[in-house]
Amino acid sequence: EDKVVQSPLSLVVHEGDTVTLNCSYEVTNFRSLLWYKQEKKAPTFLFMLTSSGIEKKSGRLSSILDKKELSSILNITATQTGDSAIYLCAVENNNDMRFGAGTRLTVKP
Amino acid sequence: GAVVSQHPSRVICKSGTSVKIECRSLDFQATTMFWYRQFPKQSLMLMATSNEGSKATYEQGVEKDKFLINHASLTLSTLTVTSAHPEDSSFYICSAREGAGPPYEQYFGPGTRLTVT
Repeated sequence: EDKVVQSPLSLVVHEGDTVTLNCSYEVTNFRSLLWYKQEKKAPTFLFMLTSSGIEKKSGRLSSILDKKELSSILNITATQTGDSAIYLCAVENNNDMRFGAGTRLTVKP
Repeated sequence: GAVVSQHPSRVICKSGTSVKIECRSLDFQATTMFWYRQFPKQSLMLMATSNEGSKATYEQGVEKDKFLINHASLTLSTLTVTSAHPEDSSFYICSAREGAGPPYEQYFGPGTRLTVT
């Protein structure tokens, strides 16, 4: 069965630290991998990755996909307290989409 | 860690029929559960929030008679799509929260793909 596994499940850092969140997957007919940030209501979209090795950046956040290793990482540099959230990874194939359980990031002042 | 399951993972139904999706918290008691729907361009829309033993609170624009939500126990919430139509075809995901107050941590289920033919 298709699955998406995120690690770590939770992470506590201090402001200014750099964090790396992991997402690994086992899906057939992979199409894309998506990252979301969940704070209060609906998760907000961060990145969509389809090609291996191409880094996507948005401010202090960046992400890259490794199709050989069936994984992706989400990096956040110079973390701020506002980065505290649950980060979700989802993988899409031709017919379906599967979400990981999320990584809870807490950034302390 | 806290685990949330959804069943079924995918379902195909005929137009006009109803389909029920279950969301279970496996190793914790969920006082609050949330139901989301996936829309194109990657956005997830919050449909409703349900608290155990009380009526669900629906977001604006979500038909409560069409999307029936029941949160009968601390480990189970169900979403029933009544008289389904092809436009209801989507990806539905639930999440669960253990407490009513902080930390407001939500645990997500893997989702259910609904296809209405």
